[in-house]
Amino acid sequence: AQSVAQPEDQVNVAEGNPLTVKCTYSVSGNPYLFWYVQYPNRGLQFLLKYITGDNLVKGSYGFEAEFNKSQTSFHLKKPSALVSDSALYFCAVRDIDDYKLSFGAGTTVTVRA
Amino acid sequence: DTEVTQTPKHLVMGMTNKKSLKCEQHMGHRAMYWYKQKAKKPPELMFVYSYEKLSINESVPSRFSPECPNSSLLNLHLHALQPEDSALYLCASSQGGIGNQPQHFGDGTRLSIL
Repeated sequence: AQSVAQPEDQVNVAEGNPLTVKCTYSVSGNPYLFWYVQYPNRGLQFLLKYITGDNLVKGSYGFEAEFNKSQTSFHLKKPSALVSDSALYFCAVRDIDDYKLSFGAGTTVTVRA
Repeated sequence: DTEVTQTPKHLVMGMTNKKSLKCEQHMGHRAMYWYKQKAKKPPELMFVYSYEKLSINESVPSRFSPECPNSSLLNLHLHALQPEDSALYLCASSQGGIGNQPQHFGDGTRLSIL
């Protein structure tokens, strides 16, 4: 079985400040990890993925995520947040032997000007 | 712009109507998915097609009927829906059989059942 936890329903930051969105996962084997963002009235947009290799993954729009196997975490980060980063963010995991993508509950990010 | 196109963007239907949702992708992806999403919740998987064959049905009620006419198209036929079926219906695609490839989502069809 696989699962994802996003412990924060909401994250509020000021523009220009660092942004972190937390994600922890549970899988029986090796994980494939993904971050998606959803803007109002849009579908999910792929930001980045971790498959193997470097623990620091760089993605779209200046986002990056750090894979930590010992803490089973995959936190999303952006050094300097923009108002336009305000959206709903989903972490997702797929076990290497599973077809299904399991999503976290989502974190709403609000960046204030 | 999304590479997965869904039509219509909005649909209002009565409980006795029959309608269809359409999804198209031209990325050569061989896996296609239907999801249901309620407001501010994660998407819930409904169906998975792999190489035009239905691989997964997540115990979806028979009032939802998927169809994959070819590798680029995915339909979802709707009949006798209930008010609780009102939601955003998302289509996604990915390179079939390769679990480490991301799913690409369309912008969805917002369905309202009267």
